[in-house]
This record gives sequence, C-alpha cells and structure tokens, in this order.
Amino acid sequence: QSALTQPPSASGSPGQSVTLSCTGTSSDIGSYNYVSWYQHRPGRAPRLMIYEVDKRYSGVSDRFSGSKFGNTASLTVSGLQADDEAAYYCSSYAGGYTLVFGGGTTLTVL
Amino acid sequence: QVQLQESGPGLVKPSQTLSVTCTVSGDSVSRGNYFWTWIRQSAGKGMEWVGRVDTDGTTNYSPSLKSRVSISMDTSRNQISLRLTSVTVADTAVYFCARGPGARAAPSTDWGRGTLVTVSA
Repeated sequence: QSALTQPPSASGSPGQSVTLSCTGTSSDIGSYNYVSWYQHRPGRAPRLMIYEVDKRYSGVSDRFSGSKFGNTASLTVSGLQADDEAAYYCSSYAGGYTLVFGGGTTLTVL
Repeated sequence: QVQLQESGPGLVKPSQTLSVTCTVSGDSVSRGNYFWTWIRQSAGKGMEWVGRVDTDGTTNYSPSLKSRVSISMDTSRNQISLRLTSVTVADTAVYFCARGPGARAAPSTDWGRGTLVTVSA
C-alpha cells in the first residue's frame, strides 16, 4: 500500500485558478470513487473539503471542485484568495477498510 | 458540535510504547454509525492513515503498522486511544484523531488539532 503522489508545491495569483493533482494506482483511486481532499493550515485541525471525488462538504465554497480520471484525482481552486493558502492532502479508499493518503501540496497565493 | 482533543507524552524513547489519547466533547464516542480514526503526519512524508475503530468495536489498521498498533474506545471516559509498540524515530509525527460517518470508505469530517510525539533517545 503506497502513498498517493502529490506535487509538493503549487502557486497562483489572486483570482486565478489552480489545479492540484493526486496520483494513485488501480488499487486505490483507479478502483474506487472515494477520493477526499483536506485543507490543513499549521496548528489547526484539518478540514474536509471534497469527498467521493467531487462532492463538496458542508460549508465549503463552490470555488473548490474535485474530479478524477483513471488513477489520478484533481482538486481545482478557482478565484484564488489569500485565505486558500494551506496544505492540501488527498486520500483514497484502498479496499479492506483501509485508506491511503498523499504527501500533500502546499498552495501558495502569490 | 463535537470537539476532539489529542494528548500524548511528547517524547518517547526508541523501542518503547507510544500512547496517545483523544478526548471527545460534544458527543458520545459510542454514538452509532460513526468511526474514529487516527492519522499521523510526519515531516516530509505527508499524512499516513494509522487505523480506525467503529462504534461496535471493530478495528482496522494500516497494513504497514498492523503488527504494532491498537486502537480502542473508552466509553466511560469518552476517549479514543492509540497504542503503538516498538517505536522508532520513523514514528515521530503529529498524531491526529478524527471522526467520520460509519461507512467503510467515508471521509473524516471532524478532526482534532493533533499532538506531536517525538521518538528520541
């Protein structure tokens, strides 16, 4: 069971859109539509943003959207705001009641 | 609203047992149709799923940690506990407690802020 692969960093200017990728295998992302995305700011509790690939969790702005193609899931943040600056982690169901997470992408708003 | 607060020893020596606790307020740990999970975050490795316990007591663990980990629920104290035996420096991490609706593939909807445990002689 290997970790999902996320680029370590991404950036964009206010108002722009940025897409974060999360690559797994046919044993996790490729087999299940159970990909979640979490936002984490240092010292705070992680926050669920997206679940089941493209469903926004309660209270999450519609500027956040999720998608999946094959073994790769993506999180798109539109209309970037300074408040979006954080680390974003993807996770996927991997069968047998187990989960796998990614290494995280730190999003910087320039 | 449910609140989760992790606590731990801060420092553990190699080969010893790491024990961390999640104290829950605002809801009962035995409330049906939820699971409680531990996830850890180490520098440079991102987040790693450790395991989960369902309200019926069923546990599931990460295959890579299964031989060393146990997660339990204490309904009298409204706490979730994690024990990790034979620790090494690789177990140094921030340990998060989280909760989610009980389905097998459900996400974690409520999280604590985590507690840092350092493994060092």
